[in-house]
Amino acid sequence: EDQVTQSPEALRLQEGESSSLNCSYTVSGLRGLFWYRQDPGKGPEFLFTLYSAGEEKEKERLKATLTKKESFLHITAPKPEDSATYLCAFPNYGGSQGNLIFGKGTKLSVKP
Amino acid sequence: NAGVTQTPKFRVLKTGQSMTLLCAQDMNHEYMYWYRQDPGMGLRLIHYSVGEGTTAKGEVPDGYNVSRLKKQNFLLGLESAAPSQTSVYFCASSFGTGVPPHFGDGTRLSIL
Repeated sequence: EDQVTQSPEALRLQEGESSSLNCSYTVSGLRGLFWYRQDPGKGPEFLFTLYSAGEEKEKERLKATLTKKESFLHITAPKPEDSATYLCAFPNYGGSQGNLIFGKGTKLSVKP
Repeated sequence: NAGVTQTPKFRVLKTGQSMTLLCAQDMNHEYMYWYRQDPGMGLRLIHYSVGEGTTAKGEVPDGYNVSRLKKQNFLLGLESAAPSQTSVYFCASSFGTGVPPHFGDGTRLSIL
């Protein structure tokens, strides 16, 4: 069964303290992995798509990477405004057409 | 551009009451989705549509119905609300399978 696990569930960082979030998956034939950011009271906001092992994408202080078994979201010198829940997801071609299998997310808190 | 707009943003119902959640998108997307988000469960697909006039069941469809009479609108109905349907409901849309969907900001629904 296809599934995705995110760790840690919650992460508290000091401003400027770099770290990484993990998204591990078991998928038969991965065809893309998505990262989203979700602020309290808001819907998920798309960040990155990664399609193949070795691929990297960057946006400001965020860098997403992909291996054959997991993806990392690296946060360099975070600021308080980076506080949010980060979700990873992949399209489930074996199930409902176009459905995304979401992880439960990592809640990031960055303290000034 | 508004993107994906959901109405209402909040609603409180009594058990047994019915209501319809409205979703509108202005991006000319073919695919539309309804998800629910519950603490510790992540986002789960309720129903989806791959085009005007089509609907299909997702992972957790029981107790819900949907309609897609116009390409830009996707309606989610609760015929007889139950406390287990207390949740945050998100609508999303995309151009197709494997394309990361855009999400609305959600409807927070409480069933008493």
